[in-house]
Amino acid sequence: EDQVTQSPEALRLQEGESSSLNCSYTVSGLRGLFWYRQDPGKGPEFLFTLYSAGEEKEKERLKATLTKKESFLHITAPKPEDSATYLCAVSVSSGTYKYIFGTGTRLKVLA
Amino acid sequence: NAGVMQNPRHLVRRRGQEARLRCSPMKGHSHVYWYRQLPEEGLKFMVYLQKENIIDESGMPKERFSAEFPKEGPSILRIQQVVRGDSAAYFCASSPPGTGNSPLHFGNGTRLTVT
Repeated sequence: EDQVTQSPEALRLQEGESSSLNCSYTVSGLRGLFWYRQDPGKGPEFLFTLYSAGEEKEKERLKATLTKKESFLHITAPKPEDSATYLCAVSVSSGTYKYIFGTGTRLKVLA
Repeated sequence: NAGVMQNPRHLVRRRGQEARLRCSPMKGHSHVYWYRQLPEEGLKFMVYLQKENIIDESGMPKERFSAEFPKEGPSILRIQQVVRGDSAAYFCASSPPGTGNSPLHFGNGTRLTVT
């Protein structure tokens, strides 16, 4: 069964304290891996797409990497405004195109 | 540069009433996905539609729930005879035609409360 697992569930960081969020997946027919940010009361906001192992994408303080079994979202010198829930999703081809989401990591950055 | 538009943002229904949730996809997007989210939980897939076609409804309860995406107008998620357990945030997402390589773009959801 296709599955996406994110860890940790919650993470508290001091401002400037770098860390990484993990997204491990067990799927057949991976089409792409996506990272999203979700703020309370809002829909997920797209951040990155990764397609193949070894690929990296970067945007401001965020950097996403991909291996054959997992992806990491590295947060360098976070600020309080980076506080949000970060969601990982994979798209798989199994008859139709499914997008499967993990349960997210709730990040809190303290000033 | 309109994104995915969902309305209403908040919907309150009494048990037994009907709820109709609307979603207009991004311009140029012909694929619509509906997801449900409970507090502290992830997004659960419900249904995937293209114009005038339901492609995959494997995540949608067999009874009381239906979805459509007509040739003209928004996609509609309809819940008949709502129960308290239907209270959740319902998100719509859209993508362009393609091969599953494109990210989904989400609206800000409809928060359904059943009293």
